[in-house]
Amino acid sequence: EPEVTQTPSHQVTQMGQEVILRCVPISNHLYFYWYRQILGQKVEFLVSFYNNEISEKSEIFDDQFSVERPDGSNFTLKIRSTKLEDSAMYFCASSRQTGGAGETQYFGPGTRLLVL
Amino acid sequence: RKEVEQDPGPFNVPEGATVAFNCTYSNSASQSFFWYRQDCRKEPKLLMSVYSSGNEDGRFTAQLNRASQYISLLIRDSKLSDSATYLCVVNEDGYNKLIFGAGTRLAVHP
Repeated sequence: EPEVTQTPSHQVTQMGQEVILRCVPISNHLYFYWYRQILGQKVEFLVSFYNNEISEKSEIFDDQFSVERPDGSNFTLKIRSTKLEDSAMYFCASSRQTGGAGETQYFGPGTRLLVL
Repeated sequence: RKEVEQDPGPFNVPEGATVAFNCTYSNSASQSFFWYRQDCRKEPKLLMSVYSSGNEDGRFTAQLNRASQYISLLIRDSKLSDSATYLCVVNEDGYNKLIFGAGTRLAVHP
């Protein structure tokens, strides 16, 4: 069964450093997403991406964040200058269509980011 | 008011028990509804979509009440492997983002 993959599984970084989290969505999916989950809290939407542009973003997704689809398979989340409060599990997800049609979003296993 | 509210639990039940989880959502324009399951430190996995007429998948039954903005999940004949956090998830029509509840923790014991 096809699945979303993410690398690395864990990332430790110093405050102020840049990090890039990588995702390979399911191959025939067209919509891509990033969510995050701070330890002990709920999953929160960050951004959605379709046709090489952001279709929606949350207030969390400020100028420190960016997303890119550098090639036909990868989808990346960059945090330019990490803060302590960026420590969280970051999940990538993908879907064939927009969720407005009840389309299922499939989640990757996540990258656990720890900012020291 | 929180967008999606759930009782955090934990619900501690013996194997074979029937357990029900409830969820309310604040946006009456919401169109798609789901139950996801999340094991400790793992990704959310879709358990089932929730349809207006209610739907069943084996031991799991989901119900939606649009008038009350209320979603439920019933698990019959609980198994040890059902122990997890159950996430109520809503998608607002025309938007991509999923809005998650904080989850209800279920612990099934022998």
